[in-house]
Amino acid sequence: GAVVSQHPSWVICKSGTSVKIECRSLDFQATTMFWYRQFPKQSLMLMATSNEGSKATYEQGVEKDKFLINHASLTLSTLTVTSAHPEDSSFYICSARGGRVWEQYFGPGTRLTVT
Amino acid sequence: GENVEQHPSTLSVQEGDSAVIKCTYSDSASNYFPWYKQELGKRPQLIIDIRSNVGEKKDQRIAVTLNKTAKHFSLHITETQPEDSAVYFCAATIGGLIFGTGTRLQVFP
Repeated sequence: GAVVSQHPSWVICKSGTSVKIECRSLDFQATTMFWYRQFPKQSLMLMATSNEGSKATYEQGVEKDKFLINHASLTLSTLTVTSAHPEDSSFYICSARGGRVWEQYFGPGTRLTVT
Repeated sequence: GENVEQHPSTLSVQEGDSAVIKCTYSDSASNYFPWYKQELGKRPQLIIDIRSNVGEKKDQRIAVTLNKTAKHFSLHITETQPEDSAVYFCAATIGGLIFGTGTRLQVFP
């Protein structure tokens, strides 16, 4: 149980275009989902927290107009990177948490390359 | 906001020896402290976690200790094996995870 999927697993896009990444909890209802970014050889950085049906809460320094997060249902959250630039190239990982469980279940990650 | 520091950044041990990784956190409201193992290009894998109402937790060769007063927690791996080689991250949270900077553990046969 507690499986989280992400799609796509990797994507290459051109500078200036937008990319959408999906995060799904497959066998549980995720009341809260989180989005993280990880640059090569660095730690994971929390970007935002989203609760189903409400606006996402962004961490300091993360542009909410550039990284659009939608948590439309208890099993799906999406991250859209708008007007992508090469510096947005990174490994994006989502996690999901359900109910009163403390553990977060991570998706497999999406490697974004902006050319 | 929360800030988590992790030491050392690299750790090399001989197979069978013990390894200890230490983290400190800044926000006394943090109440959940997980440890993750991450292999290159993969998602973080939870290896052990501890809640703030517990001082120590053990799972076979892995143990975690928490000192709330000093705001630090440590990961202990005993009888290390080559397959323990990976990057380890600590984290602290009251919601989203704030990760430490990571420790690259190398276990030499």
